[in-house]
Amino acid sequence: NAGVTQTPKFRVLKTGQSMTLLCAQDMNHEYMYWYRQDPGMGLRLIHYSVGEGTTAKGEVPDGYNVSRLKKQNFLLGLESAAPSQTSVYFCASSYKRGYQETQYFGPGTRLLVL
Amino acid sequence: AQTVTQSQPEMSVQEAETVTLSCTYDTSESDYYLFWYKQPPSRQMILVIRQEAYKQQNATENRFSVNFQKAAKSFSLKISDSQLGDAAMYFCAYRFNSGGSNYKLTFGKGTLLTVNP
Repeated sequence: NAGVTQTPKFRVLKTGQSMTLLCAQDMNHEYMYWYRQDPGMGLRLIHYSVGEGTTAKGEVPDGYNVSRLKKQNFLLGLESAAPSQTSVYFCASSYKRGYQETQYFGPGTRLLVL
Repeated sequence: AQTVTQSQPEMSVQEAETVTLSCTYDTSESDYYLFWYKQPPSRQMILVIRQEAYKQQNATENRFSVNFQKAAKSFSLKISDSQLGDAAMYFCAYRFNSGGSNYKLTFGKGTLLTVNP
């Protein structure tokens, strides 16, 4: 049971380039999330998904797109990277049992945009 | 909008001693969850402890316990018998229990805990 995994671990992009971050979970969780973490700040929600084929905007969605074609995967896309998107990106997933829900996080992807 | 405030950017503790990390939050809701996450240098976010707002009893997990004061909107984390492996950034987080599809976690800015041998 690998939990939540993220690919790649680290990436350097030039301004204007595009890339996709992959998140995979093997816990059969319904819900998945993408966060970004910047220095001196807590994590902020970019987009989330409550099920296969559904996505929704979070707190800071601009400049990102997401897709959830398979239940176990949640993709985060940057169409035209900007230096402001330099950050550490975390994926999380959760399963709702009644009113209980705990989010489990992946190891993070460090992205540097030059 | 809900906000989470951690007023201590950094804390330090001697090994084997006890330390308390503070967290306050602002919400108009009555049904919610509160969490403490630990982020060691590896950057992995690890759940430390969870508290359900409708439960009056404070949550405990081994050496970790919370002091949940709902009226004061305070949620502090106490680490007893501190160990070198406890050194990390600690984040307090809030989630409103809407019963719908809003599962957003709101995080504080974190407290960096140093454990001195």
